[in-house]
Amino acid sequence: NAGVTQTPKFQVLKTGQSMTLQCAQDMNHNSMYWYRQDPGMGLRLIYYSASEGTTDKGEVPNGYNVSRLNKREFSLRLESAAPSQTSVYFCAGRWVPNTGELFFGEGSRLTVL
Amino acid sequence: RKEVEQDPGPFNVPEGATVAFNCTYSNSASQSFFWYRQDCRKEPKLLMSVYSSGNEDGRFTAQLNRASQYISLLIRDSKLSDSATYLCVVTAPSNTGKLIFGQGTTLQVKP
Repeated sequence: NAGVTQTPKFQVLKTGQSMTLQCAQDMNHNSMYWYRQDPGMGLRLIYYSASEGTTDKGEVPNGYNVSRLNKREFSLRLESAAPSQTSVYFCAGRWVPNTGELFFGEGSRLTVL
Repeated sequence: RKEVEQDPGPFNVPEGATVAFNCTYSNSASQSFFWYRQDCRKEPKLLMSVYSSGNEDGRFTAQLNRASQYISLLIRDSKLSDSATYLCVVTAPSNTGKLIFGQGTTLQVKP
């Protein structure tokens, strides 16, 4: 049972390049989330998908787009990467409303030069 | 004002000490509350949910004070393995599925 899987785990980009972070879960979660974590900032919600077919902005959506491709997959896209997007990105899933527990992937460490 | 606020610490305590963290939230209509633990460079993991009546899990006790809009986490008999960052999490009202994290409180337990 893989849980929540993120790819890639590490990525270095140049300013202006684009990339997509992939997230897949096999836990039958209905809700999925993308967070970013910066030193001293905790986790900040970028986008979330409360259910298949819906997406909503979180606290810091600017510069990102998301796609809930199906129930299992929720991708995060940076169209034109900026140094301010250097961060650790976490994908998470949970069952709503049955439980509040978020299950996280191991994180993707992105550096934008 | 941030939606969820925590004292970042660090809290440096000796083994065996009792330590308490608080977390305040701004939206009085928030519905659910949790404490997560995050080890260095790892993903966060659920420590415990926080119920209105308070709840205990071994050495850990969580409390909710809706009137003052804060939740607390008490750790008794601290162990070296308790060293981590503790994250307060609050769900947005109306059960939209949105969860907001505090910035975390760092605990260092010393021998």
